Amino acid sequence: KAGVTQTPRYLIKTRGQQVTLSCSPISGHRSVSWYQQTPGQGLQFLFEYFSETQRNKGNFPGRFSGRQFSNSRSEMNVSTLELGDSALYLCASSFGSGTAQETQYFGPGTRLLVL
Amino acid sequence: TQLLEQSPQFLSIQEGENLTVYCNSSSVFSSLQWYRQEPGEGPVLLVTVVTGGEVKKLKRLTFQFGDARKDSSLHITAAQPGDTGLYLCAGAYGNKLVFGAGTILRVKS
Repeated sequence: KAGVTQTPRYLIKTRGQQVTLSCSPISGHRSVSWYQQTPGQGLQFLFEYFSETQRNKGNFPGRFSGRQFSNSRSEMNVSTLELGDSALYLCASSFGSGTAQETQYFGPGTRLLVL
Repeated sequence: TQLLEQSPQFLSIQEGENLTVYCNSSSVFSSLQWYRQEPGEGPVLLVTVVTGGEVKKLKRLTFQFGDARKDSSLHITAAQPGDTGLYLCAGAYGNKLVFGAGTILRVKS
């Protein structure tokens, strides 16, 4: 079956703009998690959505938000972009048992560059 | 400060050599996962270890979970160029998965 897909794959924005990233999970998966990956910090957890509700949240400012649709597809939005938001944004899907050790399947990521 | 510390950060070795990557923490994890990530792709799960002292083998890769469930290691025997990539450990901490910063491995032929 098809894997996790993310669009767009690459994005260039300028400071102050906003951006929306999209993630389509594996069919049947109801949980979508978002991560930010940078060389210095590694993967940092942003948030997790399950059945259209945010179930877990990391320690990111309110400029980072997300939502999930009834078909489990998810979007994340970053407003008022800062240079430090340049990163690879990864989404991961799972069945959504609620346990952290459940296998997550990652998409290829969206690489965001903020100028 | 990372909850999970990985070492080394970078490793460049010749084909056929052995290597070990370490993942350490002062916290106890209910389980620990190892991923490999190749350029342009997302991380792919290699293994999940759950029990303290557990050892799992995946071909030339050996994973060990510390007795106290605070640390883990990944040992690769006779590394091959195809092993090149970013290796990430991730610990289940509460209901979240916490990642280490990763070890970049380059195997030269």
